[in-house]
Amino acid sequence: DARVTQTPRHKVTEMGQEVTMRCQPILGHNTVFWYRQTMMQGLELLAYFRNRAPLDDSGMPKDRFSAEMPDATLATLKIQPSEPRDSAVYFCASGLVYWAAFSNQPQHFGDGTRLSIL
Amino acid sequence: KNEVEQSPQNLTAQEGEFITINCSYSVGISALHWLQQHPGGGIVSLFMLSSGKKKHGRLIATINIQEKHSSLHITASHPRDSAVYICAVSRETSGSRLTFGEGTQLTVNP
Repeated sequence: DARVTQTPRHKVTEMGQEVTMRCQPILGHNTVFWYRQTMMQGLELLAYFRNRAPLDDSGMPKDRFSAEMPDATLATLKIQPSEPRDSAVYFCASGLVYWAAFSNQPQHFGDGTRLSIL
Repeated sequence: KNEVEQSPQNLTAQEGEFITINCSYSVGISALHWLQQHPGGGIVSLFMLSSGKKKHGRLIATINIQEKHSSLHITASHPRDSAVYICAVSRETSGSRLTFGEGTQLTVNP
């Protein structure tokens, strides 16, 4: 079965350091999502791309977070500088989404990156 | 008030019991999703539905658009069903992005 691949699975680093998380979406999927999961907030959308173009990044703190899709096989989420409150599990998901809202297909999630900022 | 609310938050059952998890939402949606998150943390999409009912093995999902309510049923529950079940909606006005409920922690004891 095709899978969304995220790296690294775990990351522990000190505050102030740059963190880069990577995601390889399922081949053929045109939409990539970044979600964050914390105990307090649950799952929340950070940003998403369609056909590599950013559609919505309103969930991201703009001053320290950035999301890009340099090509169709790679999405990145960067935090610089990182802070302890960024500690969370970050999920990438991909899906095939048509322009009509009622034609959406299920999203496929990666296993997540568990990030701890000390 | 959250746009997507689930109940119960926690549910403990004995193996073999019939289980129901409920989800209510307050916005217009294009689809409702049921997700499963296992203790290892991975998230799997179980169902996506916009009307009626879907069934997959022992899992059944129903939705009532007029009442803005969905239920996830598990028949003949098994300890391996223990997981967090998350309801999420794709809003009419925001395309494919998901808004999540807080999740229901299900524990099935042998």
